[in-house]
Amino acid sequence: DAGVIQSPRHEVTEMGQEVTLRCKPISGHNSLFWYRQTMMRGLELLIYFNNNVPIDDSGMPEDRFSAKMPNASFSTLKIQPSEPRDSAVYFCASRGWQPNEQFFGPGTRLTVL
Amino acid sequence: LAKTTQPISMDSYEGQEVNITCSHNNIATNDYITWYQQFPSQGPRFIIQGYKTKVTNEVASLFIPADRKSSTLSLPRVSLSDTAVYYCLVAPPEEGGFKTIFGAGTRLFVKA
Repeated sequence: DAGVIQSPRHEVTEMGQEVTLRCKPISGHNSLFWYRQTMMRGLELLIYFNNNVPIDDSGMPEDRFSAKMPNASFSTLKIQPSEPRDSAVYFCASRGWQPNEQFFGPGTRLTVL
Repeated sequence: LAKTTQPISMDSYEGQEVNITCSHNNIATNDYITWYQQFPSQGPRFIIQGYKTKVTNEVASLFIPADRKSSTLSLPRVSLSDTAVYYCLVAPPEEGGFKTIFGAGTRLFVKA
């Protein structure tokens, strides 16, 4: 199994540009999570899906952030327009067979100049 | 969700046993206790999970007292590669997903 796949691994963009992060969960996993990690705020849950349906997006910082899961094998997190304070590592995770076991992807390091 | 409290950092030497304790005084009846490990530049990795008493796997042991208000992750004979941040989480095993709260974690530094 390839594990959770995220792309791109690194993204550098300028303020105001649209950024799209992509995630492919482990096949067969029904829940998908998006996190953001910074030194100041630690690891924050942004949104999670169950069976492709968004369950809780209360962690999404503002309307500039949106996430979709059109099918069981793909999800996107979009930031439009991006700002320097969005710079962080964004992780995607999918949930395995044990109730609280999540498998994390390698992350996308986003830098907004 | 129950709040967790863990030491910010710990130091150890290679070959020693390391015990990291997490306090969760407000744990609910159906909550499970889960520990993750995160290496630099990687996502967190599930280590172990338990509900009560003791759980052991090939990586660690998890000790949970009867009142479940705390738990202790035990790493036997640590090596340099065990240097990482360790997170304790408390949450119910809801099928529909759940809101996970990762605290600051415990930064373990293993020295030679």
